[in-house]
Amino acid sequence: DTGVSQDPRHKITKRGQNVTFRCDPISEHNRLYWYRQTLGQGPEFLTYFQNEAQLEKSRLLSDRFSAERPKGSFSTLEIQRTEQGDSAMYLCASSHRGREQFFGPGTRLTVL
Amino acid sequence: AQKVTQAQTEISVVEKEDVTLDCVYETRDTTYYLFWYKQPPSGELVFLIRRNSFDEQNEISGRYSWNFQKSTSSFNFTITASQVVDSAVYFCALSDPTGNQFYFGTGTSLTVIP
Repeated sequence: DTGVSQDPRHKITKRGQNVTFRCDPISEHNRLYWYRQTLGQGPEFLTYFQNEAQLEKSRLLSDRFSAERPKGSFSTLEIQRTEQGDSAMYLCASSHRGREQFFGPGTRLTVL
Repeated sequence: AQKVTQAQTEISVVEKEDVTLDCVYETRDTTYYLFWYKQPPSGELVFLIRRNSFDEQNEISGRYSWNFQKSTSSFNFTITASQVVDSAVYFCALSDPTGNQFYFGTGTSLTVIP
């Protein structure tokens, strides 16, 4: 059994470019979460899906951010027109019916 | 509002010492869940424990133990006979009964010195 996987693990981009991250949850988990973590901070909730439905979005998620989970399996997080302030670790987690969350290794984004 | 406070930013101990990591939470929910996660230098958050607000029994798992006290809204984590491999950042987290959102503390960075 594999855990949560994320791709890519690292992404360096120039300001203004678009980036897309992918998350593959644990297969039987119906819930999928996205978080952002900056240095010295705990993960901050961005959004979550139950199956394919996006049920909650944080105010942190500006209009430049969009997330999808088209078939209730993997999810993508896209950031348009990246800014230097978007540099962070983007974490994905999955859970079964809202129980404990299992996290992926994260995607570290650096915006130059 | 939901909030988790981990007042200890960094702790250093010598190997084999016991160490307690503090966690204080705020919530208006009567039912909630509390968690501890470990984030080693590799970066991946590792689930350690989940505790239901109705279950105030302390729990022990090997060298790890957790003390949940509803009266003081605390959920402290003790590592007995610490080892170098325990060096990591430890996060306490709180969720509402639906599990829709998790609220993490800012973490405590533990360094175990050989």
